[in-house]
Amino acid sequence: EVQLVESGGGLVQPGGSLRLSCAASGFTFSSYSFHWVRHAPGKRLEYVSAISPNGGTTYYANSVKGRFTISRDNSRNTVFLQMGSLRVEDTAVYYCARDTDYGEDYWGQGTLVTVSS
Amino acid sequence: DIVMTQTPLSSPVTLGQPASISCRSSESLVHSNGITYLSWLQKRPGQPPRLLIYKISNRFSGVPDRFSGSGAGTDFTLKISRVEAEDVGVYYCMQATHSPITFGQGTRLEIK
Repeated sequence: EVQLVESGGGLVQPGGSLRLSCAASGFTFSSYSFHWVRHAPGKRLEYVSAISPNGGTTYYANSVKGRFTISRDNSRNTVFLQMGSLRVEDTAVYYCARDTDYGEDYWGQGTLVTVSS
Repeated sequence: DIVMTQTPLSSPVTLGQPASISCRSSESLVHSNGITYLSWLQKRPGQPPRLLIYKISNRFSGVPDRFSGSGAGTDFTLKISRVEAEDVGVYYCMQATHSPITFGQGTRLEIK
């Protein structure tokens, strides 16, 4: 069974940092790209970042470029999102999703990030 | 970025009746490879997004056949032939033809 489990969310002050993790199981992790997508209250889903199967290619939305870093550890079947210089507008539920030729087929349950003083 | 616009934003439906959601993109979603990367996602309360339909009209594994997708170019539709109670939630269209991936604003399906 394909499973994606996010962790690492929490309450952080503006300017602070957090590292999100997405632990995967039930499939050959190193064969897939992964995306981070966030959902802020009252807003539409927003594509945040992506990483290729070997980690050599990454993508960042303009809203997080220079502040967030995506990485992966194929030996631990885990994707990470290092978030820095956090802003109030980064408050959202962050989802990890597996990317396939037919779209983001499996999503984790999400982890809530709240940026507030 | 490609703007995805869904209508209606809210859809009250009677159980057993059909429902339809439209999604329009600001540009054609036909990729240079000829494939249209338009998907539909369902988000039930307390659940993560779930892939229902990919490449306009293909149902993902385990999705009931009461869900169907259609359209081409810039105009797409998700139809539910007979709404069931478990279908309550928010439905999103999503395009992956152009970078970055973008989503519609969501359509809330509720039971009358």
